[in-house]
Formats: sequence, structure tokens, C-alpha cells
Amino acid sequence: DGGITQSPKYLFRKEGQNVTLSCEQNLNHDAMYWYRQDPGQGLRLIYYSQIVNDFQKGDIAEGYSVSREKKESFPLTVTSAQKNPTAFYLCASSVLLAASIYEQYFGPGTRLTVT
Amino acid sequence: GQQVMQIPQYQHVQEGEDFTTYCNSSTTLSNIQWYKQRPGGHPVFLIQLVKSGEVKKQKRLTFQFGEAKKNSSLHITATQTTDVGTYFCAGYSGSARQLTFGSGTQLTVLP
Repeated sequence: DGGITQSPKYLFRKEGQNVTLSCEQNLNHDAMYWYRQDPGQGLRLIYYSQIVNDFQKGDIAEGYSVSREKKESFPLTVTSAQKNPTAFYLCASSVLLAASIYEQYFGPGTRLTVT
Repeated sequence: GQQVMQIPQYQHVQEGEDFTTYCNSSTTLSNIQWYKQRPGGHPVFLIQLVKSGEVKKQKRLTFQFGEAKKNSSLHITATQTTDVGTYFCAGYSGSARQLTFGSGTQLTVLP
């Protein structure tokens, strides 16, 4: 079964703790993305990676960090520096061509609550 | 940077009525994509438009890409309760090299 998996589905943390969200894909996609979604809002790009060992900041990268050591995996760490970490986090992947972009496949998401 | 605006934010319709959501970009787009997110779910790709003035249909859904490649619309004919969800447009430009999502239109269909 091809797809994207994110774990866990729900995550609870105390303020001041770092937390890492998992994202794995077996679609053989080069590009992977992390988005944040707040209630009633669209998706905002946190980080993206077009190739292993390389990643770029998105629109709201402050307080987050990522790594891309393997093509299949793109974990996101929400650090204590992120002022409003409670949100729904979505990981996505896509085929990426130089002049265009293909559709993005999304994982089921992780709902993070920080108190 | 690139901005994509989407209206309306919310739309309630009676089952059987039509529905339209509009998307406008601050910059010319290479292509535009549409996604649907069911309540509690994740976005699922619906379609991609690439050509200026392109119109594509999927059963009761009609998608249009403007002549200037800066706006797009999604029209649903005779809505059904299965159409409930949030519809997002997402624009891609070569200069940005990333998809920029609109804020979405949340559709409620009343039986």
C-alpha cells in the first residue's frame, strides 16, 4: 500500500518541551513538505525538501526544524521557541519537475496540543 | 511574496443548489491545483489546471483557470451532502517554487 504515514495522530506536550513529528512516504517522491493548519485557515508552509540532505524554509519556519537524511523520511521538530505550537500538522510529498509541480499527496496529519 | 486569496470563507447551501468558490493570485501562476478536505481529514487532490483559459469538468464539478492565469474558480452543480468539506486552491509559480494555498472555502450542504 503506497502512501504517507504520520504518527502519532494526536500528540500532547507540556510547554517548553521539544517534540518531533514523524512523516514517512513509500511513494518514491523526491519532494516532501510540512504544513501547519489552524482552525478555519488554510495551509501554511513550514519547510520543504526537494532532495535528500537539503531543505528550505517556508513561510513560517521560525521555531521549527527538519532533517532529510533519507528519501522516505522527513521528520519535523517543534521546538520550545515556537510560540503557538498547538495546531494540525500535515506532511505531504510530490513528484517535482524543474518547471512545474505535480499534485501533493498528504498524510493523515498529527494534531498537536501544547499546554 | 506570492499570495492566494480565496472567497468566500464559508458557504451554506441547500442540497441541490449550486456552489462556487473563487481564487485570486497576486502573481501569474504556472498552474493551479484544487484540493478537498473533508471534516477531520486531510486535503485530497482534485485537479490541476495549466493552460490559460482552461476548463475541466469532473462530473458535477467544473474548474476554470483565468486567461491571465491569475484566477480560478470551482463550481459545483446541484450540491449533495457528500460535497461537504473545505475546498482549497493552491497556486504554483516558477519563481516561488512552492505551492501557495488559499485560505479555503468551507462548504456546508443542508439536507
